[in-house]
Amino acid sequence: IAGITQAPTSQILAAGRRMTLRCTQDMRHNAMYWYRQDLGLGLRLIHYSNTAGTTGKGEVPDGYSVSRANTDDFPLTLASAVPSQTSVYFCASSATANTEAFFGQGTRLTVV
Amino acid sequence: GNSVTQMEGPVTLSEEAFLTINCTYTATGYPSLFWYVQYPGEGLQLLLKATKADDKGSNKGFEATYRKETTSFHLEKGSVQVSDSAVYFCALSHNQAGTALIFGKGTTLSVSS
Repeated sequence: IAGITQAPTSQILAAGRRMTLRCTQDMRHNAMYWYRQDLGLGLRLIHYSNTAGTTGKGEVPDGYSVSRANTDDFPLTLASAVPSQTSVYFCASSATANTEAFFGQGTRLTVV
Repeated sequence: GNSVTQMEGPVTLSEEAFLTINCTYTATGYPSLFWYVQYPGEGLQLLLKATKADDKGSNKGFEATYRKETTSFHLEKGSVQVSDSAVYFCALSHNQAGTALIFGKGTTLSVSS
């Protein structure tokens, strides 16, 4: 079944450690996104990519980095995790930058 | 800037009751509007969408009409079921390169039998 795959499903991480959240899509969508979901705050955009080879900053980019080496993959890296990065992270993709997005199942990250 | 405001929950209803979840937006030009649903432990799923003024999106008994004059996109369902219990997000997408979906904070719906 076509869609978006995120890994891991959940993770407990020690503060200060480096972590990469993986995201792969098989829909050949041009645009991909990373959101974090926090209670009472909804979904906030971390980084986005409108096409392979390009990335941009969203609303809350600090402490995160992304790369888009090819169409299918869009990994999110936390260089040095902090407790405030405890959240549920969703990867999404869309055919173009202003069409509906399809979401992965999420990664629940706890930084202790 | 562009933004979405939706009514705060939780919304608690009995089965077969009428549902309205209000959503208003701020945007220049003509954004596309969406409702997404998130069931417990899952990612977001597109529920319905409208891409221009006066369009009505509909799916699974839910409806929403794009009202340019009131900058609104309220979600309605005539008769809710227990299985509709979820978090509902209103979102907009602006027709500008480099933008992504902008979400409201979500409204939790709880339906009891």
